[in-house]
Amino acid sequence: AQKITQTQPGMFVQEKEAVTLDCTYDTSDPSYGLFWYKQPSSGEMIFLIYQGSYDQQNATEGRYSLNFQKARKSANLVISASQLGDSAMYFCAMRDQFYFGTGTSLTVIP
Amino acid sequence: ETGVTQSPTHLIKTRGQQVTLRCSSQSGHNTVSWYQQALGQGPQFIFQYYREEENGRGNFPPRFSGLQFPNYSSELNVNALELDDSALYLCASSLALGGTNEKLFFGSGTQLSVL
Repeated sequence: AQKITQTQPGMFVQEKEAVTLDCTYDTSDPSYGLFWYKQPSSGEMIFLIYQGSYDQQNATEGRYSLNFQKARKSANLVISASQLGDSAMYFCAMRDQFYFGTGTSLTVIP
Repeated sequence: ETGVTQSPTHLIKTRGQQVTLRCSSQSGHNTVSWYQQALGQGPQFIFQYYREEENGRGNFPPRFSGLQFPNYSSELNVNALELDDSALYLCASSLALGGTNEKLFFGSGTQLSVL
């Protein structure tokens, strides 16, 4: 069964605009963690942001924020003020052996 | 602080051969996990080692095996290579706090091609 679903294979955003990358998850555990990673063409996975299931507030890390809707089991990543360097693959992942989604390819247009 | 390093960066093997991939964990990390990432897919968990013992395994056959050494570096061994084993193999280290906020630090991966 798919644990993490990312329905957007590719996204385009104008430089300096905001973009939302979708992620839904499936778990019956009350305690879990959700992560977003960025993978540039070099291959290395770079940690962006973390949200715990018991966290009362949505996580924020600089230009990254996580729109966490627990009842809908969604954890969308919002990138504000997009930069050309944000062009990469983005993966949503869930703790417990770290299930990863299939990723979203983001392209920032000048 | 030294990050996660993997070697080699690229490797070409033929079907039926055996391969060993290596990983050095980030300084201070005692847990290492390995992932297989096929082209256009997300990483798939292979297994995890904590203090030299395997403590989690994904849906991979026994010909995928590993080791973790006292200095917490690690190896991934794959026997009887198949064409479908062609993928990017990622190593990640972490400080095993056991909580849901355990963040992984990844290396740049080894690109394995099986011909």
